[in-house]
Amino acid sequence: GAVVSQHPSRVICKSGTSVKIECRSLDFQATTMFWYRQFPKKSLMLMATSNEGSKATYEQGVEKDKFLINHASLTLSTLTVTSAHPEDSSFYICSASGSGGRGGNEQFFGPGTRLTVL
Amino acid sequence: GDSVTQMEGPVTLSEEAFLTINCTYTATGYPSLFWYVQYPGEGLQLLLKATKADDKGSNKGFEATYRKETTSFHLEKGSVQVSDSAVYFCALTPSSGNTPLVFGKGTRLSVIA
Repeated sequence: GAVVSQHPSRVICKSGTSVKIECRSLDFQATTMFWYRQFPKKSLMLMATSNEGSKATYEQGVEKDKFLINHASLTLSTLTVTSAHPEDSSFYICSASGSGGRGGNEQFFGPGTRLTVL
Repeated sequence: GDSVTQMEGPVTLSEEAFLTINCTYTATGYPSLFWYVQYPGEGLQLLLKATKADDKGSNKGFEATYRKETTSFHLEKGSVQVSDSAVYFCALTPSSGNTPLVFGKGTRLSVIA
């Protein structure tokens, strides 16, 4: 299957700082990338959908000014958590799908980034 | 809107026991259905999928059949191993376009030797 990487895998930061998380599709062109957030022992909640070259579409309740998403190329999307606070601590996961979907609209997931805000 | 409901865990089984994790869905049209697995400390991996009614997805001894009449996609394995201990997520996506997945809440499975 296709490979999606995330960097960093873990990050610890101080309250008030900004953190950037990268999501890369390594062997295919990802026209669409999704960002999810996973709380401990809970399911994944979709934060936003980003299509290459256009603005991200955010889910209700997700602050677009706090969670900045950029999808500047077909292989890279970034999520920047601005002015992070302890309540932003979570596991952030991206997924990517190619043009037209992949036989059943398969998405390929990155390994996730664990953010801890002190 | 679309939704997925799966049995709540945790589920604890002895090695070689039979596993069933129930999953039902609500969706318009003809969604594609998936089971993802998340091993401790890792990201999600696609376990199996089915894209139309009566399709059976299978992988690593796990199976699930797309039942449109009961809107279900139950996960089964005949003989679980300790290495199957993980969290299992049932998910769906509409049949067309690059749309996000809708996940169930996940079921934690622990298999003991």
